[in-house]
Amino acid sequence: DAGITQSPRYKITETGRQVTLMCHQTWSHSYMFWYRQDLGHGLRLIYYSAAADITDKGEVPDGYVVSRSKTENFPLTLESATRSQTSVYFCASSSKQGVYHEQFFGPGTRLTVL
Amino acid sequence: GIQVEQSPPDLILQEGANSTLRCNFSDSVNNLQWFHQNPWGQLINLFYIPSGTKQNGRLSATTVATERYSLLYISSSQTTDSGVYFCAVDRGSTLGRLYFGRGTQLTVWP
Repeated sequence: DAGITQSPRYKITETGRQVTLMCHQTWSHSYMFWYRQDLGHGLRLIYYSAAADITDKGEVPDGYVVSRSKTENFPLTLESATRSQTSVYFCASSSKQGVYHEQFFGPGTRLTVL
Repeated sequence: GIQVEQSPPDLILQEGANSTLRCNFSDSVNNLQWFHQNPWGQLINLFYIPSGTKQNGRLSATTVATERYSLLYISSSQTTDSGVYFCAVDRGSTLGRLYFGRGTQLTVWP
């Protein structure tokens, strides 16, 4: 029962490089989300997706790109990494059944941009 | 977006003590979740509780949706309860996006 996994768990990169963070879930959940967690800000939504090929921006989307060609995968790409993107990134998924809509989180990826 | 306020921001307890964490939100919600972020950074689901009361071992939660608040009770606290407790809410949007509070940092000393 893998649930939701993220890779890599830790990443160090340099300013200007492209970085892709992977998220994979085995529950066949329709909805997937990317959040970033920073001291003083809590968790903030970057992008979300309702289904394969359906994505939309959250609160802090600038500098990020997402895709969702398969239901189980939701990669997040930093096109040209900046120091302000140093953060912990969490992927989450949920399935909606009527009004029930509980989210489950992956273990997180700690990204450092030098 | 909806505002979520958690109190207290920090809480220090001796093992065995009880505590109450509060979450206030600014609008009506269809979904409310409590999470525990352990010292390793993992976000663990504690309760899905848009209304009513639930209990799970030493933890229980109550949400009074009409008054826009939720409470998380921890009884007989243990050192493993240490970490950050987050409340997150959803207004009932189709996508179920969550708005998080800033959390309560709990430290339990032996």
